[in-house]
Amino acid sequence: GAGVSQSPSNKVTEKGKDVELRCDPISGHTALYWYRQSLGQGLEFLIYFQGNSAPDKSGLPSDRFSAERTGGSVSTLTIQRTQQEDSAVYLCASSARTGGFGETQYFGPGTRLLVL
Amino acid sequence: QKEVEQNSGPLSVPEGAIASLNCTYSDRGSQSFFWYRQYSGKSPELIMFIYSNGDKEDGRFTAQLNKASQYVSLLIRDSQPSDSATYLCAVNKADTGGFKTIFGAGTRLFVKA
Repeated sequence: GAGVSQSPSNKVTEKGKDVELRCDPISGHTALYWYRQSLGQGLEFLIYFQGNSAPDKSGLPSDRFSAERTGGSVSTLTIQRTQQEDSAVYLCASSARTGGFGETQYFGPGTRLLVL
Repeated sequence: QKEVEQNSGPLSVPEGAIASLNCTYSDRGSQSFFWYRQYSGKSPELIMFIYSNGDKEDGRFTAQLNKASQYVSLLIRDSQPSDSATYLCAVNKADTGGFKTIFGAGTRLFVKA
């Protein structure tokens, strides 16, 4: 079956504009994660969903960032009033569930965001 | 102190040698531990996970976990140039409503032919 897909693959925007990033998880996966990775850096946790609810939003960098998930499937990450420091690769991952033991996360190809 | 710490490297080893990648974590409540490999410009992919103290082997890879020392490592035997990548250590810990995964910053490995 299909893996995790993300769109757009690349996004160039002007400072101050809003952007919306989309993630389509593997079918049947209940857990969905958003990460941010700046050039040469590790993964920064942003938010995760179990079903449609987000138990932990602590990783969102500011109130300009929001995310939602509908129907237990597709998720969108919205960044309002983008800033240059928002430039990064935004990675989405899904897993069958959130679990402590061997719950593999499958990553999408990422959205490369550049804020000019 | 970061929750998950890794030496950023680069770690350079000759082809055929053993590469040893190390990771420490701060939360004693962490329950499972993962190693992901990330090639330049690509997304991370799972190599293996471990949740019991001791060693776990899978082909040329061995993960080692020591919960008392809060230490997890990955050994790559007979290293190949194709193993050159960034290796990310990830730790799962209980969180509201489920589990949260914390990634280290990664160690860059370079295997010289």
